Amino acid sequence: GEDVEQSLFLSVREGDSSVINCTYTDSSSTYLYWYKQEPGAGLQLLTYIFSNMDMKQDQRLTVLLNKKDKHLSLRIADTQTGDSAIYFCAEDGSSNTGKLIFGQGTTLQVKP
Amino acid sequence: NAGVTQTPKFQVLKTGQSMTLQCAQDMNHEYMSWYRQDPGMGLRLIHYSVGAGITDQGEVPNGYNVSRSTTEDFPLRLLSAAPSQTSVYFCASSSRKAEAFFGQGTRLTVV
Repeated sequence: GEDVEQSLFLSVREGDSSVINCTYTDSSSTYLYWYKQEPGAGLQLLTYIFSNMDMKQDQRLTVLLNKKDKHLSLRIADTQTGDSAIYFCAEDGSSNTGKLIFGQGTTLQVKP
Repeated sequence: NAGVTQTPKFQVLKTGQSMTLQCAQDMNHEYMSWYRQDPGMGLRLIHYSVGAGITDQGEVPNGYNVSRSTTEDFPLRLLSAAPSQTSVYFCASSSRKAEAFFGQGTRLTVV
């Protein structure tokens, strides 16, 4: 079945780059997403990538997609303390229903 | 523009009680979904709907019912609450192959 896996925790120093990794199993996904969740809040879409793209850059965010290995990564350049949050990778699977399959979430801790 | 509105924000139930979590969206989205979030498990899909009058089960549907009588509303009913249903519940809506918008969540505790 569909599955999305992420590491649970990442700690970096302020100003460093952060790289959050994700693997997925459904090769028929059309879009892959990165969501951010701050404490006590809902989910905010950070960025997404269409499945026929290898890379997408949006200001400090870079998404890399390796379809052969079913691997997605999110790089945050010049990480700030305000980037501390849980980051979820998600894919939309093979059905056109609006439902998303989420990873477990990676908690990013940014130390000053 | 309210987006996706969930009520209540917090709720405490006793085991065996029933309740309805409300979700409303004002973006005329076809798709709506309910997820529950538990520590270390990400978000798991409970039920979803692709349009008014159409619902289907997700990954963890047991103990929950939904209906979609209008495009705007997608309530989630807990039939007989159990401690295992203590969680944070999120409602989401989206149009075809586009960004999903999430509500702020309902924190439910069952004692």
